[in-house]
Amino acid sequence: KAGVTQTPRYLIKTRGQQVTLSCSPISGHRSVSWYQQTPGQGLQFLFEYFSETQRNKGNFPGRFSGRQFSNSRSEMNVSTLELGDSALYLCASSLGGIKPNEKLFFGSGTQLSVL
Amino acid sequence: KQEVTQIPAALSVPEGENLVLNCSFTDSAIYNLQWFRQDPGKGLTSLLLIQSSQREQTSGRLNASLDKSSGRSTLYIAASQPGDSATYLCAVNVYTSGTYKYIFGTGTRLKVLA
Repeated sequence: KAGVTQTPRYLIKTRGQQVTLSCSPISGHRSVSWYQQTPGQGLQFLFEYFSETQRNKGNFPGRFSGRQFSNSRSEMNVSTLELGDSALYLCASSLGGIKPNEKLFFGSGTQLSVL
Repeated sequence: KQEVTQIPAALSVPEGENLVLNCSFTDSAIYNLQWFRQDPGKGLTSLLLIQSSQREQTSGRLNASLDKSSGRSTLYIAASQPGDSATYLCAVNVYTSGTYKYIFGTGTRLKVLA
């Protein structure tokens, strides 16, 4: 069974540009959640999508947005990039959502560098 | 506001030692706690999940305990090996604004020396 796939693996952008990251969950999983990881702030929750609906959102500005398609694949978009957006962006999938009895399965992440 | 702390931030031990990693959380209203392992530049791998009603979980050389009342969890690694070198993160599952989410600790970077 294939794991969680994130593309691309690495991205280099300049300030002011926008970027789209992709996450394909494990087959059959309906929940995809996104996280930003930086050395200073650690791992922070961005948002979760379940069956094409955003169920929860962390404390990030509106420049960070996402969507989920009918096949459960999810994309995350960051507009008007800032230097501080440089981070490892991770997505995680689970069968029914971020529930107490479910494990999260993470992808390898997209390393975004903003110059 | 729930805060999750992991001490120490870094740990270096010789191969074969038994070791304990600590995780503390400020609000005992959690639904589960997961321990993850992260290799450099990679994603997280779930090691153990402890439900709020459980006291401990074991998998191979790993044992995790949970004491909700004191806001603490420990991850015990027996007979450490160089392959155990990684960053270990704990995360608590909480219910806010009508849904569940995870709050992560900052991690303990473990190095096991051959």
